[in-house]
Amino acid sequence: AQRVTQPEKLLSVFKGAPVELKCNYSYSGSPELFWYVQYSRQRLQLLLRHISRESIKGFTADLNKGETSFHLKKPFAQEEDSAMYYCALWNQGGKLIFGQGTELSVKP
Amino acid sequence: DAMVIQNPRYQVTQFGKPVTLSCSQTLNHNVMYWYQQKSSQAPKLLFHYYDKDFNNEADTPDNFQSRRPNTSFCFLDIRSPGLGDAAMYLCATSRLAGATPYEQYFGPGTRLTVT
Repeated sequence: AQRVTQPEKLLSVFKGAPVELKCNYSYSGSPELFWYVQYSRQRLQLLLRHISRESIKGFTADLNKGETSFHLKKPFAQEEDSAMYYCALWNQGGKLIFGQGTELSVKP
Repeated sequence: DAMVIQNPRYQVTQFGKPVTLSCSQTLNHNVMYWYQQKSSQAPKLLFHYYDKDFNNEADTPDNFQSRRPNTSFCFLDIRSPGLGDAAMYLCATSRLAGATPYEQYFGPGTRLTVT
């Protein structure tokens, strides 16, 4: 079965602390994975994708095929990072399968 | 700015009264998607159009229909809304070429209330 699991519904950290949002997937084949973010009162938008291996707003995510994980990390969280984060798996049928989402709250 | 537009942003309908939500895009993308998102849940794909080809998800109720009259517009019709259909409905678009996954661009959503 194709599935994305984000085990934490809510993650709360203090400003300047490291943050890691967990994502595990189940997929037979070579996965294409994404992180989408939704800031308060804004639309859902792409944060980063694993194939581009880029760092966006200080966030990085590494695909670990052995652990079937694609965790999102940032060394020093900022208050403006507070948002809802969704991990998503691209299915060869041309569809995204979303995880349940993790709400990140960065406290001052 | 090129973008995905959804109208209306808020829609209130009565139980059983048909309702149509609309989505338009200026990105000239060939794929358009409709998602349903209930409170504290992940977006759930209802169906998508690849050009004019309609692709329904297996678990999308028959109560939900869609139309795509041209590249720019896509409509979601709910024939007989039930209380359980109250949700945020998201439209998204993407460019798709073969199996290559491109970014999906989302609209702001329409929040549907069923009374």
